Amino acid sequence: DTAVSQTPKYLVTQMGNDKSIKCEQNLGHDTMYWYKQDSKKFLKIMFSYNNKELIINETVPNRFSPKSPDKAHLNLHINSLELGDSAVYFCASSSALPGRSYNEQFFGPGTRLTVL
Amino acid sequence: AQTVTQSQPEMSVQEAETVTLSCTYDTSESNYYLFWYKQPPSRQMILVIRQEAYKQQNATENRFSVNFQKAAKSFSLKISDSQLGDTAMYFCAFRRGGSNYKLTFGKGTLLTVNP
Repeated sequence: DTAVSQTPKYLVTQMGNDKSIKCEQNLGHDTMYWYKQDSKKFLKIMFSYNNKELIINETVPNRFSPKSPDKAHLNLHINSLELGDSAVYFCASSSALPGRSYNEQFFGPGTRLTVL
Repeated sequence: AQTVTQSQPEMSVQEAETVTLSCTYDTSESNYYLFWYKQPPSRQMILVIRQEAYKQQNATENRFSVNFQKAAKSFSLKISDSQLGDTAMYFCAFRRGGSNYKLTFGKGTLLTVNP
C-alpha cells in the first residue's frame, strides 16, 4: 500500500492556467507538508498543516493556496501559473506521536510540474 | 534560522569502496534531529538514517553510518561497500526538536557509484 500518494505525477500546462495537485496519506499522521524542489534540486518547505490547521507558511506567492479537507489530505492549488513555477512538488507527512517514526517525514513520489 | 551546507556537489566511488559525504549545519537550538535522505533517479525521497542531537552514539543502518560531531556541527554520512544502487542525490537535513517542524535541506551531493 502506498503511504503518501500524489496525483498527478506529471503535469504540463500553459502559463496563466490554474492547476491543483492532490496528496493523500494513509499513515494516520497528523501533519502534512508541501516542499518545492527547483531545477537545481534544492528542496524548500512551502506549507505545513497540522490537523487541518495551517502552521507553516513560508514566503510563497499568494497564487499558491493549500487546502486540507481532513488530516489525511493536503491539496495544493496554483493560480495563474508562471514559468518559474516549473518544479517538482513533494508532499510529506509526519506524526507527533512518540514511536519509531516520531519526527520522521515520509515523502510522496513528487509531482513534476512543467509550465510552458 | 538554521542552515545546512553540503560542500561537495558531486562525488564518485568505485563499487565496494567506502565513501564519506560531508554536511555541516548552523543552529542555536539544543534539541534537534539530523537526517540523510537519498533521492535516486526515480526522484522518490528515501530516508537513509537519522540522528538525535541528544544521543552521543553515532547512528548506523546496515552499510550506512554517520559521524556526528555536535560541537563542530558536523554530520557526515559514510557508505561502506558501495553498490550501484547507491547512485543518487544525497540530502542532509535538519529539523528542530518537538513536533511538526519543517526540514531544512542542504543543496545535495550527487553520488555516482562506478562499476
